[in-house]
Amino acid sequence: EVQLLDSGGGLVQPGGSLRLSCAASGFTFSIYAMSWVRQAPGKGLEWVAAISGTGGSTYYADSVKGRFTISRDNSKNTLYLQMSSLRAEDTAVYYCAKDGAYLGFDPWGQGTLVTVSS
Amino acid sequence: DIQMTQSPSSLSASVGDRVTITCRASQGIGNYLAWFQQKPGKAPKSLIYAASSLQSGVPSKFSGNGSGTDFTLTVSSLQPEDFATYYCQQYDSFPFTFGPGTKVDIK
Repeated sequence: EVQLLDSGGGLVQPGGSLRLSCAASGFTFSIYAMSWVRQAPGKGLEWVAAISGTGGSTYYADSVKGRFTISRDNSKNTLYLQMSSLRAEDTAVYYCAKDGAYLGFDPWGQGTLVTVSS
Repeated sequence: DIQMTQSPSSLSASVGDRVTITCRASQGIGNYLAWFQQKPGKAPKSLIYAASSLQSGVPSKFSGNGSGTDFTLTVSSLQPEDFATYYCQQYDSFPFTFGPGTKVDIK
């Protein structure tokens, strides 16, 4: 069974940093691109970042470019999102998703909550 | 960036109703369009990819249609478990973008 397990969320002060992780199992992790998607409280879905299977290509939403870094460790079947210079508007549940290219985003992790507040 | 719009933003329906949600892209995206269902406190679940292909395990009461800029999601006979928020997403080009969502609740 394909599973994604998000972790690493928590309370952080404005300007602080946090690293999220997404542990993958049940599929050949290294051949799939992966994405992070977030959802602010009571709001819709916002794509945040994507990374190719090898990790050689990365893509970011303008709202996080220069502050967030997506990476992966294919030996550990784990996806990461390093977040820095955090702002109140980054408060959200963050989900990782397996990007099946033409097959779309499926499945998603269960999400991890990041709260940016003093 | 490609902007995605959805209509309606919300709708009230009864069990057994047929409902259709519309999604429009600000420019052509071929058929790189997905639909997701999200229930409160849960992760989104993929229903449809490539505009009209059903994800494995998704019941056939869900169907998708369209190409280019105009797309629809239809639920042929609403059941209690189908009351949720539905999002479309374009994955033709970065940044991938989602529609604002359509909340389907019980009349």
